[in-house]
Amino acid sequence: QVQLVQSGAEVKKPGSSVKVSCKASGVTFTTYALSWVRQAPGEGLEWMGGIIPFSGTSNYAQKVMGRVTITMDESTSTSHMELRSLRFEDTAVYYCSVTPAPYYYYGMDFWGQGTTVTVSS
Amino acid sequence: QSPLTQPASVSGSPGQSVTISCTGTSSDVGGYNFVSWYQHRPGTAPKLIIYEVFNRPSGVSTRFSGSKSGNTASLTISGLQAEDEADYYCTSFTINSPVAFGGGTRLTVL
Repeated sequence: QVQLVQSGAEVKKPGSSVKVSCKASGVTFTTYALSWVRQAPGEGLEWMGGIIPFSGTSNYAQKVMGRVTITMDESTSTSHMELRSLRFEDTAVYYCSVTPAPYYYYGMDFWGQGTTVTVSS
Repeated sequence: QSPLTQPASVSGSPGQSVTISCTGTSSDVGGYNFVSWYQHRPGTAPKLIIYEVFNRPSGVSTRFSGSKSGNTASLTISGLQAEDEADYYCTSFTINSPVAFGGGTRLTVL
């Protein structure tokens, strides 16, 4: 069974950066896509971007493009999502998720437990 | 702003059926069969309940069904139960993004 375990909560100052990790285990399919999704307080879910480890391709949502980098360390099966130039509106719960198919839009079937990132001065 | 429009809220009594719509355009919902639906209860991770318009992942109740007509996708929950109370989100592939979420719909079981 696929398990995604995320790093712990973070509190950051505006303008700084945060790096959230997501360690995958039990992934037996050869091709999959890993996404990062966030939910700000009182808001809906938002797809931030993702990576397809098989090809090394990363994709990002327009809203955060230029501030976010998503990587995958296949030796440790760990993805990292780094968000830079943090703003108050980046305060959210951040989730990683896995699609057991070669692209994101086939459905995000497995999810991490979520990581709370708070941006506060 | 999300390109996919969902009603903010729907409600129904136990045993009834409810349908949640997800309206887009020919550049997303109408043009591709890559619509998914997620159930999200507060404090938990979202759960995939429908993928590729009408397919259910293993273990998801048959009370959940998906469909699409034109630029609108729909999620129908039949035989409503108290445990169905949650937020529901649609997603679609779009020409501008591999995944776009709808704004979400709060389902209240009366």
